[in-house]
Amino acid sequence: QVQLVESGGGVVQPGRSLSLSCVASGFSFSIYGMHWVRQSPGKGLEWVAVISYDGRNTFYADSVKGRFTISRDNSKNTLYLQMNSLRAEDTAVYYCANDLYSKSSWGVFDYWGQGTQVTVSS
Amino acid sequence: IVLAQSPGTLSLSPGERATLSCRASQTLSSNYLAWYQQKLGQAPRLLIYGASTRAAGIPDRFSGSGSGTDFTLTISRLEPEDFAVYYCQKYSAWPPWTFGPGTKVEVK
Repeated sequence: QVQLVESGGGVVQPGRSLSLSCVASGFSFSIYGMHWVRQSPGKGLEWVAVISYDGRNTFYADSVKGRFTISRDNSKNTLYLQMNSLRAEDTAVYYCANDLYSKSSWGVFDYWGQGTQVTVSS
Repeated sequence: IVLAQSPGTLSLSPGERATLSCRASQTLSSNYLAWYQQKLGQAPRLLIYGASTRAAGIPDRFSGSGSGTDFTLTISRLEPEDFAVYYCQKYSAWPPWTFGPGTKVEVK
């Protein structure tokens, strides 16, 4: 069955960096666009970033553009999110999710991981 | 495009019918609207996409309808496991993709 397992969350000071990983199994990772979606009590669900199935194209929410970088390693079935210059408002549970449609990214979030908590606090 | 969901909370009993509303601030092209269910402490789960197509494994008591700016998620007879928060979300060929604030379906 499809599994997405995030890791790397934790408590970090404002301005510092953190890197998240998401290991996928149970489906053909290399043909699906992959997303990061976050959820905080104050802002609900927020799409963060997407990477195309081949890694060639990436897009970001305005709130993280220039600070976060999404990447993937199809040989390891792994998705990454490098988060720099973290702010208090980045505090959230971060989920990885695959797109419903293969070889495209339409923003329909099919399977989700269990999430990893990121807390930005001094 | 901003999505508004109503009501904020719906208090019903098992076996009752639930009707949840999602309204978009602009017309959604090709009815690109999805619904997700989120139970406490769990990740969201895709229920409906294309406004009315059930995702794999979703029971037929869940149905979606609507077009343009007004969409509805209906749960025909609430089962105990259906009490959760439901989010609508607009999607398209290009980001950004946005969610509504959610409707909580709670036990009356």
